[in-house]
Amino acid sequence: GENVEQHPSTLSVQEGDSAVIKCTYSDSASNYFPWYKQELGKGPQLIIDIRSNVGEKKDQRIAVTLNKTAKHFSLHITETQPEDSAVYFCAASRGGSYIPTFGRGTSLIVHP
Amino acid sequence: DTAVSQTPKYLVTQMGNDKSIKCEQNLGHDTMYWYKQDSKKFLKIMFSYNNKELIINETVPNRFSPKSPDKAHLNLHINSLELGDSAVYFCASSQVTSPYNEQFFGPGTRLTVL
Repeated sequence: GENVEQHPSTLSVQEGDSAVIKCTYSDSASNYFPWYKQELGKGPQLIIDIRSNVGEKKDQRIAVTLNKTAKHFSLHITETQPEDSAVYFCAASRGGSYIPTFGRGTSLIVHP
Repeated sequence: DTAVSQTPKYLVTQMGNDKSIKCEQNLGHDTMYWYKQDSKKFLKIMFSYNNKELIINETVPNRFSPKSPDKAHLNLHINSLELGDSAVYFCASSQVTSPYNEQFFGPGTRLTVL
């Protein structure tokens, strides 16, 4: 089955800095890579995803990159703000009826 | 409008008791799930259920059982609660016939077993 590794487990940055979270996966058939944000006391929510026919996708201050050859993908947050503080999960899936396999999460702390 | 809702938000109970957590989704999705999140934030899939098939993670004890009265509801029953069952439980739903099976999570139920 799929195995997703996520690093770092904790990331502390100053407001305005950039933050990068990296994930690797093992199943070369995976073609869907969502990122979820979990705020304190809430359930994870999808913030951005990338599919295997795309190398990079951007949405305002967040961007994701995918390197299928190396089997890794990353989340980049620029100009971080205190409200970006949360736990971020990467996931990988073959799509369709396959359930995504989640990474172990990264706790991002943005200091004002 | 809440897409995936769970009750209760918090549940505190004694070891050995039996308890249930309710989940409802109003997205019209065909599949519902239960996840367990431990103290280290790791999300572990417990069950996947649609009206055709129940898929159980083999590591889940048989004290846990999902029950679905209809497509919009998937409740979680837990018998003989143990200290190690303390965690946050998330219900989720998705449409598996869509290309990418995006998961929509509920707000979670924090279970504390004393």
